Amino acid sequence: SQTIHQWPATLVQPVGSPLSLECTVEGTSNPNLYWYRQAAGRGLQLLFYSVGIGQISSEVPQNLSASRPQDRQFILSSKKLLLSDSGFYLCAWNKVAGQQETQYFGPGTRLLVL
Amino acid sequence: GQQLNQSPQSMFIQEGEDVSMNCTSSSIFNTWLWYKQDPGEGPVLLIALYKAGELTSNGRLTAQFGITRKDSFLNISASIPSDVGIYFCAGQRGVGGATNKLIFGTGTLLAVQP
Repeated sequence: SQTIHQWPATLVQPVGSPLSLECTVEGTSNPNLYWYRQAAGRGLQLLFYSVGIGQISSEVPQNLSASRPQDRQFILSSKKLLLSDSGFYLCAWNKVAGQQETQYFGPGTRLLVL
Repeated sequence: GQQLNQSPQSMFIQEGEDVSMNCTSSSIFNTWLWYKQDPGEGPVLLIALYKAGELTSNGRLTAQFGITRKDSFLNISASIPSDVGIYFCAGQRGVGGATNKLIFGTGTLLAVQP
């Protein structure tokens, strides 16, 4: 069976510090991977998606970047965090079976920038 | 980004009551997904719908893919306290491909009083 992991679960960082959030998927190969941000428990905003190693598409201009160094690893980064980067970050992957496609989410990372 | 119209925004009900929520769109979707999110956790997939008119159940939950392919509803029968959370609908226009992203509803907050 497939599982998706995110690390860390919670992070408190000062403004201006770097960021690295990790997402890994097990039990599947070549998944489409996604990073979302959720503010105030509502509304998921798609940040990045990736269809393969080294392939990253950005949905919105922002202070963040993403990378996919391995097939089942998706990383969200920042060189200098802003207060507005605080939020709940969710990684997701798509399962495709014929004409049926379903998206599954990881447990999330709570980021607080002070 | 684009969001689906989801209603109601919130519901406060007594344990044992039935619940109904729905999502509507101006665009046609090929897939409708319903998720539940508990505080501090990632959304968990409840029901996936892939065909117009499809009616699918998962325990006390029932969801339908609207015949026009522009709407979907979720019903919860005989609610219990653990049904508390935020429920999201999500629509997807195609299958596979780099740009086949989910469009999310704004969420329905459900509170159940014992």
